[in-house]
Amino acid sequence: AQSVTQPDIHITVSEGASLELRCNYSYGATPYLFWYVQSPGQGLQLLLKYFSGDTLVQGIKGFEAEFKRSQSSFNLRKPSVHWSDAAEYFCAVGEAAGNKLTFGGGTRVLVKP
Amino acid sequence: SAVISQKPSRDICQRGTSLTIQCQVDSQVTMMFWYRQQPGQSLTLIATANQGSEATYESGFVIDKFPISRPNLTFSTLTVSNMSPEDSSIYLCSVEDPDRPYGYTFGSGTRLTVV
Repeated sequence: AQSVTQPDIHITVSEGASLELRCNYSYGATPYLFWYVQSPGQGLQLLLKYFSGDTLVQGIKGFEAEFKRSQSSFNLRKPSVHWSDAAEYFCAVGEAAGNKLTFGGGTRVLVKP
Repeated sequence: SAVISQKPSRDICQRGTSLTIQCQVDSQVTMMFWYRQQPGQSLTLIATANQGSEATYESGFVIDKFPISRPNLTFSTLTVSNMSPEDSSIYLCSVEDPDRPYGYTFGSGTRLTVV
């Protein structure tokens, strides 16, 4: 069965600093990988996704993620965080198109002024 | 991308009662997914709903507790039955956007509190 691990429950970062959120997955075949953001009281918004091609994926809001098959990782990065980036971030893996997603436990990001 | 309207956005319910959550999509989709997000937790899939067939439930979720209807390709409901405080969660519906392969869109969620 597929699984997703986000090792960091909380991360605090200063505004303007870089951010990296870790995600490790377990899946037998080529995974479909996603990063979602959930702002307080809001639904989930897709930041980016990977299912084939270039392993460095660009997303919205200045985020990018890199798929590393050898490390079973799909880490999310942003060079310079803004106060509005404070939110909960979820990594997810899907088996195939039209199939369910399995989510990691989430990482809550706090941004210091 | 697909737009999902989910109702109600929040509710406070008495234990032992039931609540039906509606999910309306602005385009036709094959499958709709229902997730639960317990306080401070991640999302867990409850069931997958195909139009015209019974929903497929994940381990730990049963139809008697979470009956689902899927009368057409743009609409689904999830009922939380005989509620207890442990059912207090955010419930979200999701679809795979027909115009964006592998692009799963989520509704804004229903925040349920059972007292």
